Amino acid sequence: GAVVSQHPSWVICKSGTSVKIECRSLDFQATTMFWYRQFPKQSLMLMATSNEGSKATYEQGVEKDKFLINHASLTLSTLTVTSAHPEDSSFYICSARNPGQAPSTDTQYFGPGTRLTVL
Amino acid sequence: GENVEQHPSTLSVQEGDSAVIKCTYSDSASNYFPWYKQELGKGPQLIIDIRSNVGEKKDQRIAVTLNKTAKHFSLHITETQPEDSAVYFCAARDFGNEKLTFGTGTRLTIIP
Repeated sequence: GAVVSQHPSWVICKSGTSVKIECRSLDFQATTMFWYRQFPKQSLMLMATSNEGSKATYEQGVEKDKFLINHASLTLSTLTVTSAHPEDSSFYICSARNPGQAPSTDTQYFGPGTRLTVL
Repeated sequence: GENVEQHPSTLSVQEGDSAVIKCTYSDSASNYFPWYKQELGKGPQLIIDIRSNVGEKKDQRIAVTLNKTAKHFSLHITETQPEDSAVYFCAARDFGNEKLTFGTGTRLTIIP
């Protein structure tokens, strides 16, 4: 299957600082990337959908000014958590849609996730 | 919008036996149904998927069945092994919608 990487895999930061998480599709060009967060023992919650070269579409209840998403190229999307607080501590996971995969274009691959801890 | 229900939430199976996880969806327009396996501290891994023009798909010990009339689909794992222990998520997406709607997950434990 296609490979999606995330960096860093974990990060600890002080309250009030900003943290940037990178998501890369390593062997395909992803026109669409997605950002999720996941709390312990819960399902994945979609935060936003990111299309290359355009503004991200945020889900209801997700603060776009707090979670800045940039999809600068077909292989890179970044999520910046601004002015992080302890309640932002979570597991953040990106995924990328592989538009060129035969026989269909539906497949979505996930990165390994980034564990964010805000002190 | 789409709503996906998943059962059971936890499942314990003796090694070598079969495991079945079931999901139901609400939107009849949904036409793509992937299953993901998530190990502790890792991202979800696609293990199998099925599209609405197919009723069953199999990949070695894993199979997925789809009943469009009843709007439910199931994951079947045969000859379970300890490494199958993980959380499994089903998902659904309708044609033209990029977003996946996930089920609540099933924690599968294989008992040696």
